Amino acid sequence: SYVLTQPPSVSVAPGKTATIPCGGNNIGRKSVHWYQQKPGQAPVLVMYYDSDRPSGIPERFSGSNSGNTATLTISRVEAGDEADYYCQVWDSSSNHLYVFGTGTKVTVL
Amino acid sequence: EVQLLESGGGVVQPGGSLRLSCSASGFTFGTYAMSWVRQAPGKGLEWVSGFSDSGLDIYYSDSVKGRFTISRDNSKNTVYLQMDSLRGEDTGIYYCAKDGGQWLEDWGQGTLVTVSS
Repeated sequence: SYVLTQPPSVSVAPGKTATIPCGGNNIGRKSVHWYQQKPGQAPVLVMYYDSDRPSGIPERFSGSNSGNTATLTISRVEAGDEADYYCQVWDSSSNHLYVFGTGTKVTVL
Repeated sequence: EVQLLESGGGVVQPGGSLRLSCSASGFTFGTYAMSWVRQAPGKGLEWVSGFSDSGLDIYYSDSVKGRFTISRDNSKNTVYLQMDSLRGEDTGIYYCAKDGGQWLEDWGQGTLVTVSS
């Protein structure tokens, strides 16, 4: 099945920009979705169709997708953004409908 | 407001069975695909099973195929996951999630399954 690779961790200072990559073979040809998961909580959708934000998600969150890498960008990072972030694609070519990335822990310094 | 409430988790011995339930409210349940996603302790998210958007097709990950059975009762707004022949690697939090297209737009709070002797 399709494989999505993320770095285990990203550290960022408050007020700076966090960039979270998600690598996959020709991922730019797929739609990528992103989830935020805080400790002890269920995942929350923060981005869909590469760069669309669900209602209630701050404009500080943005997304892009091209070539072999999709990226979730968090601008003006706040302490409350500290969480695990997972990318996800839909793999209709296999029985594995929803493929998740390995996850990235974002630490706010 | 969409609400998804999982139940049925617990401790079970290897080889045993559990049936998880997910009660849904706040949307027209019968028109949405639903999935189960699990998370082993300290690990990432793993999609387990789900319905297609038509609701007619059912899919399973290779890791649970032949052991788990997903079903739904639209009259009760509930989706189920029957888990048989449980193994230690099935331990984790099991989330019920509502399909948003090609993504999972709403999630329950999860129910913990522990497979241990």
